[in-house]
Amino acid sequence: SAVISQKPSRDICQRGTSLTIQCQVDSQVTMMFWYRQQPGQSLTLIATANQGSEATYESGFVIDKFPISRPNLTFSTLTVSNMSPEDSSIYLCSVEEGQGPYEQYFGPGTRLTVT
Amino acid sequence: KQEVTQIPAALSVPEGENLVLNCSFTDSAIYNLQWFRQDPGKGLTSLLLIQSSQREQTSGRLNASLDKSSGRSTLYIAASQPGDSATYLCAPATGNKLTFGGGTRVLVKP
Repeated sequence: SAVISQKPSRDICQRGTSLTIQCQVDSQVTMMFWYRQQPGQSLTLIATANQGSEATYESGFVIDKFPISRPNLTFSTLTVSNMSPEDSSIYLCSVEEGQGPYEQYFGPGTRLTVT
Repeated sequence: KQEVTQIPAALSVPEGENLVLNCSFTDSAIYNLQWFRQDPGKGLTSLLLIQSSQREQTSGRLNASLDKSSGRSTLYIAASQPGDSATYLCAPATGNKLTFGGGTRVLVKP
């Protein structure tokens, strides 16, 4: 399975600032996903990122708040913009692998605290 | 919209007991279903994937069943160990989108 790394692993940020989270995969993958896990909650899909096209956002998430880049088949970034304490969460990227069935593998996550 | 429920929310058992974790989902038109494990403050580890055409999948001490028509999956963990303590998440896939349940937090006491 793919090995996924994320940077930073954690950060504490002030409200009103932005943070860019990086996701690096050790193999080329078509589909990458970004999830949010709020404290005590389960995971919610933010958006799907395909290389060479605009990210597709889920209901409740907008590009101005969570811009995503996908410059190649092994890398993606998620920016959390104009942060507020409500953005304090773990942010995880995942990739889809396989010829079918498609299994998703997750990175270790980025723990963000906004003060 | 897919909704996923996991029961129980928490479970505490002595070492050696078998674990039964339940997952129900509202939309039976799923592509597959994954079970994950999450340790505190960590990412997710994929445990098992069951295709929609399968009834069962096994990996070591883990066995997952799927009844797609009734919207249920069950994860069985045999002979539990303290290292099995974690939160277990089920996630049915509709297309390539996973919808997660709230998880079952498991504590296995030595």
